[in-house]
Amino acid sequence: QVQLVESGGGVVQPGRSLRLSCAASGFTFRNYGMNWVRQAPGKGLEWVAVISHDGSYKDYADSVKGRFSISRDNSMNTLSVQMTSLGADDTAVYYCAKDSDLVRGAPFDNWGQGILVTVSS
Amino acid sequence: SFVLTQPPSVSVAPGKTARITCGGNNIGSKSVHWYQQKPGQAPVLVVYYDSDRPSGIPERFSGSNSGNTATLTVSRVEAGDEADYYCQVWDSSSDHRVFGGGTKLTVL
Repeated sequence: QVQLVESGGGVVQPGRSLRLSCAASGFTFRNYGMNWVRQAPGKGLEWVAVISHDGSYKDYADSVKGRFSISRDNSMNTLSVQMTSLGADDTAVYYCAKDSDLVRGAPFDNWGQGILVTVSS
Repeated sequence: SFVLTQPPSVSVAPGKTARITCGGNNIGSKSVHWYQQKPGQAPVLVVYYDSDRPSGIPERFSGSNSGNTATLTVSRVEAGDEADYYCQVWDSSSDHRVFGGGTKLTVL
C-alpha cells in the first residue's frame, strides 16, 4: 500500500532554514506529481507547492514563493522542501500529498501523517 | 486567486442527511474534490471530480457541482462521520490548488 512518511520537522528560530523530506513507497514514485500542504494549528489546509512527476515543473503558493524550494529524487523515491527565512506564520503541520493521476489539478489521493514545524525563538 | 467559501459548521442528527456546501464564482465549471479530516489525522479523499468516490469510501458520501455551489452530501450520518470537511479545486488562472476554509460536521 502507498506510504508517505515525512521527516525533518522540529523547532526552528525565526529567519532560519529547515528541510523537510517525504519518503514514498508502495507506488511508482516517478509517475506522479507530488505536493506539500500545510495546516497551521487550529486552522484549515493550505496548499504550499507542487512538483511534476519528472521534476520539470514546480509551483508555489504566493505565501512561500521565493522562500521555499521543492525538489524530488526519483532514484530514492524522496520528496523534499527547503524552507528559508521562516517566520511564525510558517508554523504548521506539513503534509506531503500524492497526485492521483497526471491530470493538471488532480486530487490528492494519499497523504503522509504530517510533520510539525514550529518557528519560535 | 480563486476563493472557496464553506460554512464553518454543520450539525445533523444520526441517520439524517448532512449537506456541506462549497461556494465559488462559477465553481460548476471546475472539478471539485472533498477531503475528510478527523482530529489528529491526515486528510482523506472522500469525493473527487465532483462526484466520484475512491474505493473504500461508503456510498453514503456523494457530491454534486453546479453554478456557484458544490455540495458534499452525507446520507444516513453516523457518529464516525464527525470530522472537518474541505473542498478543493484547481484554479487554472493561477495554476494553484485552492482549499475551502473547512466545515466541521457535528453529529448530534
